[in-house]
Amino acid sequence: IQVTQSPSSVSASIGDRVTITCRASQGISSWLAWYQQKPGKAPKVLIYAASSLQSGVPSRFSGSGSGTDFTLTISSLQPEDFATYYCQQANSFPPTFGQGTRLEI
Amino acid sequence: EVQLVESGGGLAQPGGSLRLSCAASGFTFKNYAMSWVRQAPGKGLEWVSTVSTNGGTTYYADSVKGRFTISRDNSKNTLYLQMDSLGADDTAVYHCAKRSETSIWPKIWFDPWGQGTLVTVSS
Repeated sequence: IQVTQSPSSVSASIGDRVTITCRASQGISSWLAWYQQKPGKAPKVLIYAASSLQSGVPSRFSGSGSGTDFTLTISSLQPEDFATYYCQQANSFPPTFGQGTRLEI
Repeated sequence: EVQLVESGGGLAQPGGSLRLSCAASGFTFKNYAMSWVRQAPGKGLEWVSTVSTNGGTTYYADSVKGRFTISRDNSKNTLYLQMDSLGADDTAVYHCAKRSETSIWPKIWFDPWGQGTLVTVSS
């Protein structure tokens, strides 16, 4: 299953609302996770099962979608949110990641 | 606190071998599928391999199948990745990752991840 993420990069300002999309090449129900990765650090799960917020993750992060189309939304950007975001489908092996979205100031 | 600490990375010659290890602590290791995910410099995330709880089931990315072998020692709480016939395309940071508590085998996502160990393949 291929996963196409867009955009590859986005520039935004503090307080902005940002949406990142992920499209799977075939239906994956809700078997999708979103990760945040900061430079030199390991990725961290933000959203799992397409729309469930990982414990400890701020509520400004939300996920939606099912089937083939998914979105990650950050409702009001904070300085610590500038990072790279990846989606990952978990419907079947091999698990596949989107290409990543770099969120820049 | 769950901790995953990778080791064994370094410089390898093309065609050479390396064995990575991942020492796990803070959870019941034998109860969780474990995986390796790599990231080439400046690139995105690429899943490499996953092993089931008892080691009896393994999965590999096509890019490493036949060259890499994943294994685990539940008595030592350690995950391994034997890498043979290395090529320049294998240069990456290799992260070990635990099946997330919120996922259900075999539909897995990864949480947490170790900090990774850098493998560089060059002559």
